[in-house]
Amino acid sequence: AQTVTQSQPEMSVQEAETVTLSCTYDTSESNYYLFWYKQPPSRQMILVIRQEAYKQQNATENRFSVNFQKAAKSFSLKISDSQLGDTAMYFCAFMMPSTSGTYKYIFGTGTRLKVLA
Amino acid sequence: GAVVSQHPSWVICKSGTSVKIECRSLDFQATTMFWYRQFPKQSLMLMATSNEGSKATYEQGVEKDKFLINHASLTLSTLTVTSAHPEDSSFYICSALPDIYSYEQYFGPGTRLTVT
Repeated sequence: AQTVTQSQPEMSVQEAETVTLSCTYDTSESNYYLFWYKQPPSRQMILVIRQEAYKQQNATENRFSVNFQKAAKSFSLKISDSQLGDTAMYFCAFMMPSTSGTYKYIFGTGTRLKVLA
Repeated sequence: GAVVSQHPSWVICKSGTSVKIECRSLDFQATTMFWYRQFPKQSLMLMATSNEGSKATYEQGVEKDKFLINHASLTLSTLTVTSAHPEDSSFYICSALPDIYSYEQYFGPGTRLTVT
């Protein structure tokens, strides 16, 4: 069975600094997708970044980038130039399409990030 | 684009009654929608996958008769909690896939259910 592990329950970072959130996963599949979602206090889930497993290049979205290490099954999120608005719960998620046409998403337990002024 | 709404945002009901939560994709059609449950300060737990025009696929351990899911159109899925009990109190979140090839699900704002 697939699992997603986020080993950092809470983290803090000074405004304008860089922070890295860790995520590891376990799967025997080769075709899958990885995501980072942000859940601010409003509880609205927001997609931060996605990575296809077949792509070797790390995904980047403005201040957000990932370090995808497929062999190590690691998918960390780096936030550069942290802003107060980045304060939120961050979830790492794994998705694998099935042959039946359904999808299964598995979420990690989350890392609560607080950006300090 | 890709906006998903949920209604109501907060509902309080008495034990033993049923409550329906609606999930709508406002600017796209979604053949697949998902229902999640989130306990306080915890992760999202996938309850079921809802496909338009067919029966929902429930995750192991989720009671099909308690959590009724209906995906009657390409823009609407409903979750009905039947005979609700205090332990059903939780935050319920739906999501939808606007494009099956991107696998990016877009989430609704969630519904807080309190059963008294």
